Amino acid sequence: GAGVSQSPSNKVTEKGKDVELRCDPISGHTALYWYRQSLGQGLEFLIYFQGNSAPDKSGLPSDRFSAERTGGSVSTLTIQRTQQEDSAVYLCASSLGNSNEQFFGPGTRLTVL
Amino acid sequence: DQQVKQNSPSLSVQEGRISILNCDYTNSMFDYFLWYKKYPAEGPTFLISISSIKDKNEDGRFTVFLNKSAKHLSLHIVPSQPGDSAVYFCAAKDTGRRALTFGSGTRLQVQP
Repeated sequence: GAGVSQSPSNKVTEKGKDVELRCDPISGHTALYWYRQSLGQGLEFLIYFQGNSAPDKSGLPSDRFSAERTGGSVSTLTIQRTQQEDSAVYLCASSLGNSNEQFFGPGTRLTVL
Repeated sequence: DQQVKQNSPSLSVQEGRISILNCDYTNSMFDYFLWYKKYPAEGPTFLISISSIKDKNEDGRFTVFLNKSAKHLSLHIVPSQPGDSAVYFCAAKDTGRRALTFGSGTRLQVQP
């Protein structure tokens, strides 16, 4: 079946605006993760969902960041009052059950001007 | 503090030779390690993994070695092919958590 999909692929916004990033996991994958990759850095964990609940939100950098997942499928990451340091590629991954292997989407490149 | 470190930002090898990518970690609670490959404008693709109870895992041209006492793992690619040119990320999972901690990546270039 289809892999993890993310939209939009690119987003340019002005400082102070809110943005929403969407992730469609692989069908049947119960676990969903958000990461971000800043320029020249590795991937940084943001939040993990098991079903619709988020048992690990420890990576969210500030209260401007929030995420939700509905129907055990699609997830939305929302960044309020964006700042220039929020510029990064935001990656979503999903995994089946308790598998350690996470499958990544292509990412959303966010640029905050 | 970086819990997973890839100290070589880049590596260049000749086609047909061995590529060795290294990764060091500091957290003794890591119980599972993975390597991902990433092409530009794509998400990372899972390559190979190893549990902390093993010291070697092999899959075709790819072998991962784990030295727990040294907190070091390496990925060997033999023989290297031009299509292997990509950024390789080492990742680790902490016991009891699902999140992965990633290194900063090593860019591998395989010269034809």
